[in-house]
Amino acid sequence: EVQLVESGGDLVQPGGSLRLSCAASGFTFSDHSMNWVRQAPGQGLEWVSYITGSSAHIHYADSVKGRFTISRDNAKNSVYLQLNSLRAEDTAVYFCARGTGSGDWLMDYWGQGTLVTVSS
Amino acid sequence: EIVLTQSPDTLSLSPGEGATLSCRASQSVYDNNFGWYQQRLGQAPRLLIYHASSRATGIPDRFSGSGSGTVFTLTISRLEPEDFAVYYCHQYGSSPRTFGQGTKVELK
Repeated sequence: EVQLVESGGDLVQPGGSLRLSCAASGFTFSDHSMNWVRQAPGQGLEWVSYITGSSAHIHYADSVKGRFTISRDNAKNSVYLQLNSLRAEDTAVYFCARGTGSGDWLMDYWGQGTLVTVSS
Repeated sequence: EIVLTQSPDTLSLSPGEGATLSCRASQSVYDNNFGWYQQRLGQAPRLLIYHASSRATGIPDRFSGSGSGTVFTLTISRLEPEDFAVYYCHQYGSSPRTFGQGTKVELK
């Protein structure tokens, strides 16, 4: 069974940093791209970042480019999102989502999310 | 960036009724790389439809998708109690990937 478990969400002050983690199980992790998608309270979904299975290709939404960094460790079956220079508008539940293949953009399985709150 | 606009925002229906949800893209979606997700309250999104009309693994056949180019539709033939949720359309053919604002299917 595919499982994705996010962690690392917290209350942080504007300008602060946070590192989110997503632990994967139930599939061959390196065979799949991974994504982060966020959802502000009561709002819709916003794709944030993408990384291929080999880490060769990485994409970011313009809203987070230069502030967030995605990475993965295939030996640990984990993907990470480093959040720097956080703003109030980054407050959201952050989901990790699996791509259907190593370079695929379609997301098929999602974790339950971790809440990031940016507030003073 | 491809903007996806869903209609209606809210659909009030009873169990057993059919539902038709629409999504319009601001430009043609490459290779029909278009899907639908269901999100129940407090849960993660679940993939229902990909490539405009293919059902994801384990999705009941009362869910069907259609469309191409800029106009797409999700049809639920007979609503079950567990179908009352928010539905998002999504294009994954161009970067950045984008989602519609959601259609809430609520109990009438």
